[in-house]
Amino acid sequence: AQSVTQPDIHITVSEGASLELRCNYSYGATPYLFWYVQSPGQGLQLLLKYFSGDTLVQGIKGFEAEFKRSQSSFNLRKPSVHWSDAAEYFCAVAPRTGTASKLTFGTGTRLQVTL
Amino acid sequence: EAGVVQSPRYKIIEKKQPVAFWCNPISGHNTLYWYLQNLGQGPELLIRYENEEAVDDSQLPKDRFSAERLKGVDSTLKIQPAELGDSAVYLCASSLDPPPTGLHEQYFGPGTRLTVT
Repeated sequence: AQSVTQPDIHITVSEGASLELRCNYSYGATPYLFWYVQSPGQGLQLLLKYFSGDTLVQGIKGFEAEFKRSQSSFNLRKPSVHWSDAAEYFCAVAPRTGTASKLTFGTGTRLQVTL
Repeated sequence: EAGVVQSPRYKIIEKKQPVAFWCNPISGHNTLYWYLQNLGQGPELLIRYENEEAVDDSQLPKDRFSAERLKGVDSTLKIQPAELGDSAVYLCASSLDPPPTGLHEQYFGPGTRLTVT
């Protein structure tokens, strides 16, 4: 069955420290890959997406993610976290073909930033 | 340009009561999605519209949930009667194109947080 796993439910980092949020997927073929952020009371905002090509993808707000086919992973990183990055982060996947294609989200990782 | 608008933002009702959520997508977006987000979970698709046609409602619990998108613009999601387990956030999203292309540029509204007591 197709699935997305975010192993870390909650992560706490100090402001200025580096961040890595993990995402693993189980799919028959490489899907489209996405990272979204959800701040309290806000809708989901797309941070970045991977379709093909360079496996290191740059996104908004200084985030990047690396696709590793051998590990079926798409981990999100940021070199230096800001207090405003505190939010819930969701990894999502979608099949590359078919009009019935839809996003399947992981359970999310809640990021807390300490000052 | 305005984003996806949802109302109300919060709703508290007693079980067995009806409730309705409204969504206004981004202007020109033909594809509209309703998602259910339970506490501590990622969103799950309930229904997808292409213009006024519901093209994927396989995850919509049809015994109590209904949705409509008259004229292919605004949409309403209804629950009747509501149950305690329906307490969740209901998200609306829209995209210019249908999947799979439209998944790349899907914009989400802030959601409606429903509490059923």
